[in-house]
Amino acid sequence: EAQVTQNPRYLITVTGKKLTVTCSQNMNHEYMSWYRQDPGLGLRQIYYSMNVEVTDKGDVPEGYKVSRKEKRNFPLILESPSPNQTSLYFCASSPYTGELFFGEGSRLTVL
Amino acid sequence: RKEVEQDPGPFNVPEGATVAFNCTYSNSASQSFFWYRQDCRKEPKLLMSVYSSGNEDGRFTAQLNRASQYISLLIRDSKLSDSATYLCVVNEPNYGQNFVFGPGTRLSVLP
Repeated sequence: EAQVTQNPRYLITVTGKKLTVTCSQNMNHEYMSWYRQDPGLGLRQIYYSMNVEVTDKGDVPEGYKVSRKEKRNFPLILESPSPNQTSLYFCASSPYTGELFFGEGSRLTVL
Repeated sequence: RKEVEQDPGPFNVPEGATVAFNCTYSNSASQSFFWYRQDCRKEPKLLMSVYSSGNEDGRFTAQLNRASQYISLLIRDSKLSDSATYLCVVNEPNYGQNFVFGPGTRLSVLP
């Protein structure tokens, strides 16, 4: 089944404890992207990648890192999480046809 | 600065009503356009692509006006199940491509 898989789906952590949210797609898509969604602010892009080893900042990259060493994986790294990174995170991939395939989301709480 | 703007709503309409949403985009070089639907705290899903000639899918009609840089979505005979947030998405050219989301328009269809 074609899908985008994010893990963990839910996480509660503490300030400063490094964490990684994984994202994997099995559709051989070149494009992948991370978004965060907060009440009243809509989806905001964090980072995106147009292919392996090609990443670029979105609108809100501060406090996040990404890597794209293989086409299928695009992990989101929070080196030192802070409470303002409490959010709902979505990973998405696309073959550039316009249809973005989203993961189910990862709800992160930073205490 | 790239921008995609939408009226956030909420639009509260009775069942059976016709409702229209507009979306404006700032980058005249934008190449393709889409409407996504997002249910509360779920991942967005593609509703329809928007073609230059306009397109229709059942009760939904999408139109593009490149000269004025806006796209529209018309929903006829609204159903309770149409209640959701509708996201306008623009595929912008840079050295590759990137998807830019509008903030979304919330629709509530009332019995």
